[in-house]
Amino acid sequence: QSVLTQPASVSGSPGQSITISCTGSSSDVGGYSYVSWYQLHPGKAPKLIIYEVTDRPSGVSDRFSGSKSGNTASLTISGLQAEDEGDYYCSSYSSSVTLRVFGSGTRVNVL
Amino acid sequence: QVQLVESGGGVAQPGGSLRLSCAASGFTFSTYVMHWVRQAPGKGLEWVAVVSSEGHNKFFAPSVKGRFSISRDNFKSTLFLQMNSLRRDDTAVYYCARDTVPAASAPGTFDYWGQGTLVTVSS
Repeated sequence: QSVLTQPASVSGSPGQSITISCTGSSSDVGGYSYVSWYQLHPGKAPKLIIYEVTDRPSGVSDRFSGSKSGNTASLTISGLQAEDEGDYYCSSYSSSVTLRVFGSGTRVNVL
Repeated sequence: QVQLVESGGGVAQPGGSLRLSCAASGFTFSTYVMHWVRQAPGKGLEWVAVVSSEGHNKFFAPSVKGRFSISRDNFKSTLFLQMNSLRRDDTAVYYCARDTVPAASAPGTFDYWGQGTLVTVSS
């Protein structure tokens, strides 16, 4: 059972914007600015798309943006494209014995 | 470019052992904290273990503590995961991932991942 809660799926049409939430607690998401987001495609290495809540690695499209409010972090994908389909996971540092925690994952569907 | 290539996955019996390797290239392996993360079929990602850059500090998820060990060979730029007393719920794709921070217990980010190796625990 994942520590962080994400919606199971989010859908949108090409060009639209979608937002994925990631809800934790003050021991993880709410207590640290170390929330990151990963994109997973079958058979490929997971890809970092947002780190430290809002920062984008070089090479990642500026259509991806991150934010946080309290114990909930969010990933927004603007101008949705077919290539954005896949699974997205949030992760956070945790002050518990499990140093790093992940969300339950969200399947993004482009209609 | 940074590359992480896992190997060593396969089928093991419950109670058995398996050793995974992760060959790193494209960066100075000895200066980075490294992790193992797994994903069971149809499930989410789960952090497994972390080792400091020099190999001395190690931390484990409660679900594997006492059964798994993590180590590294900085001369060969290789990370290892020794899995003992395997259980059916250890069945998963195992990924190695590089961290962005210099200390194993510090907050950080998994900035590069391998493609994973599948471990199946079955009789």
